[in-house]
Amino acid sequence: AQKITQTQPGMFVQEKEAVTLDCTYDTSDPSYGLFWYKQPSSGEMIFLIYQGSYDQQNATEGRYSLNFQKARKSANLVISASQLGDSAMYFCAMTGEGDDKIIFGKGTRLHILP
Amino acid sequence: DAEITQSPRHKITETGRQVTLACHQTWNHNNMFWYRQDLGHGLRLIHYSYGVQDTNKGEVSDGYSVSRSNTEDLPLTLESAASSQTSVYFCASSESGGKSADTQYFGPGTRLTVL
Repeated sequence: AQKITQTQPGMFVQEKEAVTLDCTYDTSDPSYGLFWYKQPSSGEMIFLIYQGSYDQQNATEGRYSLNFQKARKSANLVISASQLGDSAMYFCAMTGEGDDKIIFGKGTRLHILP
Repeated sequence: DAEITQSPRHKITETGRQVTLACHQTWNHNNMFWYRQDLGHGLRLIHYSYGVQDTNKGEVSDGYSVSRSNTEDLPLTLESAASSQTSVYFCASSESGGKSADTQYFGPGTRLTVL
């Protein structure tokens, strides 16, 4: 069975600093996908970034990058130059081989301090 | 523009009543999912469907049912609402084999309170 673990329930970071949100996963599937979503206080789920298990390079989307360490089963989200608007809940998620359903971690609440 | 909508956005009901939450997507996606979000649990999968007439149980399916009669809609029914089903419910859709970056779409959520 697949499992996603986010060990940081909450984080406080000074504005303009870089942030790393931790995510580890467990799966026996050789092919899988990893996602990060942002949920601001307004409640909507916003897709941020995706990494395929066979992708050779780490995914990047603007200020977001995914630090993918396959051997460690780690998929940390890195936010460079944090902004006040980055304050939100962040969820790590994954899909498995031949299976499109998404399994989510419990989330990390990020607070950016001015 | 294509979208995924949920209705109602907020609902208050009483214990024991049947409740149906609607989800409608115009992406023409085969896959549709229902999640509930509770503090300390993140999003947990209730039911999902990979196409018309296909439904599958997720992690927390007890007390819920779904049916898929067309591509666009996946209504979620609470057969006899319980206070433990007070939650925020999200519907999502994706393309088949949806492992690529831009195929996961979420609705705005429905906040359900069971008194």
